Amino acid sequence: AQSVAQPEDQVNVAEGNPLTVKCTYSVSGNPYLFWYVQYPNRGLQFLLKYITGDNLVKGSYGFEAEFNKSQTSFHLKKPSALVSDSALYFCALSGGYNKLIFGAGTRLAVHP
Amino acid sequence: GAVVSQHPSWVICKSGTSVKIECRSLDFQATTMFWYRQFPKQSLMLMATSNEGSKATYEQGVEKDKFLINHASLTLSTLTVTSAHPEDSSFYICSARDLIGTGQDQPQHFGDGTRLSIL
Repeated sequence: AQSVAQPEDQVNVAEGNPLTVKCTYSVSGNPYLFWYVQYPNRGLQFLLKYITGDNLVKGSYGFEAEFNKSQTSFHLKKPSALVSDSALYFCALSGGYNKLIFGAGTRLAVHP
Repeated sequence: GAVVSQHPSWVICKSGTSVKIECRSLDFQATTMFWYRQFPKQSLMLMATSNEGSKATYEQGVEKDKFLINHASLTLSTLTVTSAHPEDSSFYICSARDLIGTGQDQPQHFGDGTRLSIL
């Protein structure tokens, strides 16, 4: 069965420090993976995707994600966190019929 | 590019009324749009897949007669919550995928959501 897991409900980071938001997946075949960010009372904004090729994917707002096939992970990273990065982050897997399978979400809190 | 407009942003109405939410792709065409429901501090729950010119495909447990979906054009899908009750209060979000890129590797583009409050 296809699934996405985000093991952390919340991640706390000090401004300027690197951040990592974890995501693992389960799928048969090649995965198409996405990261989205949601600000309060807003829809989801696309950050980046992994389809094939380089395991390190660069996206919007300085975010990047590392795909690791052996660990079935797709962790979101940023070298230096900003307070404005505080939001809800969703990892998603492209499933059948063009549907997206979302993780439960991880709330990122960046403290000044 | 790839903007999805959702209207209205907020709706407050009395129990028993019907509410229509619109989802428009502004600068691209979408044969498929998706409707989600999100409860506070939870992930998105897919309600249905809206297909242009045909019937929507509903997820298990979603009442078709309660949540009417119409996708009459390549840029507009509507969700009507019929005879709404307080338990229907939620955050509803639509998304669309660009017609040009219909493969699984294309991201969905999301509207800003509609907060529905039924009194």
